[in-house]
Amino acid sequence: GAVVSQHPSRVICKSGTSVKIECRSLDFQATTMFWYRQFPKQSLMLMATSNEGSKATYEQGVEKDKFLINHASLTLSTLTVTSAHPEDSSFYICSARTAGGVFLADTQYFGPGTRLTVL
Amino acid sequence: KNQVEQSPQSLIILEGKNCTLQCNYTVSPFSNLRWYKQDTGRGPVSLTIMTFSENTKSNGRYTATLDADTKQSSLHITASQLSDSASYICVVSGVSGGYNKLIFGAGTRLAVHP
Repeated sequence: GAVVSQHPSRVICKSGTSVKIECRSLDFQATTMFWYRQFPKQSLMLMATSNEGSKATYEQGVEKDKFLINHASLTLSTLTVTSAHPEDSSFYICSARTAGGVFLADTQYFGPGTRLTVL
Repeated sequence: KNQVEQSPQSLIILEGKNCTLQCNYTVSPFSNLRWYKQDTGRGPVSLTIMTFSENTKSNGRYTATLDADTKQSSLHITASQLSDSASYICVVSGVSGGYNKLIFGAGTRLAVHP
């Protein structure tokens, strides 16, 4: 159980185009989803926290107009990189948090990641 | 400032040998500590999770320890296999706004050679 999928797994696009990445919780409802970015040989950096039905909360230094996040349902969140540039090339990982109840049920499950390359 | 520091940054061992990875943290208030394994080009997969009162937790050949007093944790890998080659990330969870907020270490890149 607790499987999170991402689509696509890999995308190459031209500079100036927009790219949408989907994150789905396959067998549980995720009240909150998180989007991370990871550069080579570095750890994950939280970009934003997305709660179903409300606006995402962005971390300091992350442009909300460039990284659009939509969390329209309890099983789907999308990240759209608008007007992508080569410096946006990175590994984007989402995670989904289960609803509360039992303390350790409030944990994050990570997706497999999406490799974005902007030419 | 909430921080998680891991050592060594990278490690090379021979197949069948044991190794220990270290994690020091300054996260407060502390909720729990997790070790993740991340294969290249994949998302992190949870290995162990420990709360304040737990000193050790095992998952197969992986054994994690936690000393909440000194704020240190270790991950011991026994009888390493080639498939253990990956990055191992220590993640400490602190409570913020009623929810857990994850603080990530930079990871230790482990290479197991035949």
